[in-house]
Amino acid sequence: NAGVTQTPKFRVLKTGQSMTLLCAQDMNHEYMYWYRQDPGMGLRLIHYSVGEGTTAKGEVPDGYNVSRLKKQNFLLGLESAAPSQTSVYFCASSYSMGSGRGFNQPQHFGDGTRLSIL
Amino acid sequence: DAKTTQPPSMDCAEGRAANLPCNHSTISGNEYVYWYRQIHSQGPQYIIHGLKNNETNEMASLIITEDRKSSTLILPHATLRDTAVYYCIVRDGGSQGNLIFGKGTKLSVKP
Repeated sequence: NAGVTQTPKFRVLKTGQSMTLLCAQDMNHEYMYWYRQDPGMGLRLIHYSVGEGTTAKGEVPDGYNVSRLKKQNFLLGLESAAPSQTSVYFCASSYSMGSGRGFNQPQHFGDGTRLSIL
Repeated sequence: DAKTTQPPSMDCAEGRAANLPCNHSTISGNEYVYWYRQIHSQGPQYIIHGLKNNETNEMASLIITEDRKSSTLILPHATLRDTAVYYCIVRDGGSQGNLIFGKGTKLSVKP
């Protein structure tokens, strides 16, 4: 009963390094999302995907790239990490009702990746 | 910005019902009301959602007023494990993109 699994759970990077965060879901969901959460703030959407091979920008996409090569996986990449990207990153997925409908379906979240950039 | 207003904190005695209010006076006809909670250091957890009618599931009940301008999440028998930040979110069911999490209500369940 895994649901949404994020790896790694913790990571410390130096400024300028790159890394990829992996999100995997086993619920056969069409939609997947990457959020970040900073202290005292709500979640903000970075990028999202409505299906395999498609991605779109969210509220705060700068400095991040994503890929959805397989339906069950959604990767978030930091090309050149900056201290401002220190945050907790959450992945989520949701069911599609088809034909673009289904954004009203609840999102299921992973437990997050805590990323510190020095 | 979040379209909802919630009290910043509430207390509830263990075993009693927890009633969490939410105001969403500008809600439009296509917007659903969602409730999520976030237990410290974990990912948000979906609780329940609704459009017009009251809803109940194994976790909670959602009561939406007839004019849809406010709602109440009810946890019928709160336990210590229900201590969390509870978020009320309104969202257009047909729109793409994110859930906008406001500051939520910090519910503390006390023995």
